[in-house]
Amino acid sequence: GAGVSQSPRYKVAKRGQDVALRCDPISGHVSLFWYQQALGQGPEFLTYFQNEAQLDKSGLPSDRFFAERPEGSVSTLKIQRTQQEDSAVYLCASSPYVQGAGANVLTFGAGSRLTVL
Amino acid sequence: RKEVEQDPGPFNVPEGATVAFNCTYSNSASQSFFWYRQDCRKEPKLLMSVYSSGNEDGRFTAQLNRASQYISLLIRDSKLSDSATYLCVVNISGGYQKVTFGIGTKLQVIP
Repeated sequence: GAGVSQSPRYKVAKRGQDVALRCDPISGHVSLFWYQQALGQGPEFLTYFQNEAQLDKSGLPSDRFFAERPEGSVSTLKIQRTQQEDSAVYLCASSPYVQGAGANVLTFGAGSRLTVL
Repeated sequence: RKEVEQDPGPFNVPEGATVAFNCTYSNSASQSFFWYRQDCRKEPKLLMSVYSSGNEDGRFTAQLNRASQYISLLIRDSKLSDSATYLCVVNISGGYQKVTFGIGTKLQVIP
């Protein structure tokens, strides 16, 4: 697609429910990131994929958070047993990867706004 | 200390004014620097990369000071449409794509 597509755009979950958020990156983009943005804060890094390999998951706040990108394109962020503090916008971003070029420009999706009641 | 620090503002400036934001970063090994713009309830979008020698894009000028570990963004002749949050973004490792965002500085341009 022309841009990064995320779904659902809005999700309301009851505390304790599981949720799955989907990201469809720009075709051909090797790198895929998930960020969490709470109200009034900057995006906080969650995890990074290079193709299907999850190279960094240091930002995942707990073992309730799990991300995958099995075929190196679409990615899913899953949150189990949601808590109120999980309420945030979850942003997915992709970028092409150029060896040794440092960070490349990220293109973000519109985000998935999760509200946990 | 946070890896990337910004004054959250808000900065309220009249149309036509010049405004500058600074951002400091903690890791001297940081290699790539960017300014992103985020409109209310929208996703961040790249405003400009920041190069060692400084760079300009129309009314926007970005500077990097490695010795003091800060980057700056200068906006001249502010427009109402410049109202947004400006996010400072830093990449720490050259071989790895992860970037860290600051909290963002909110700018409100008033008529």
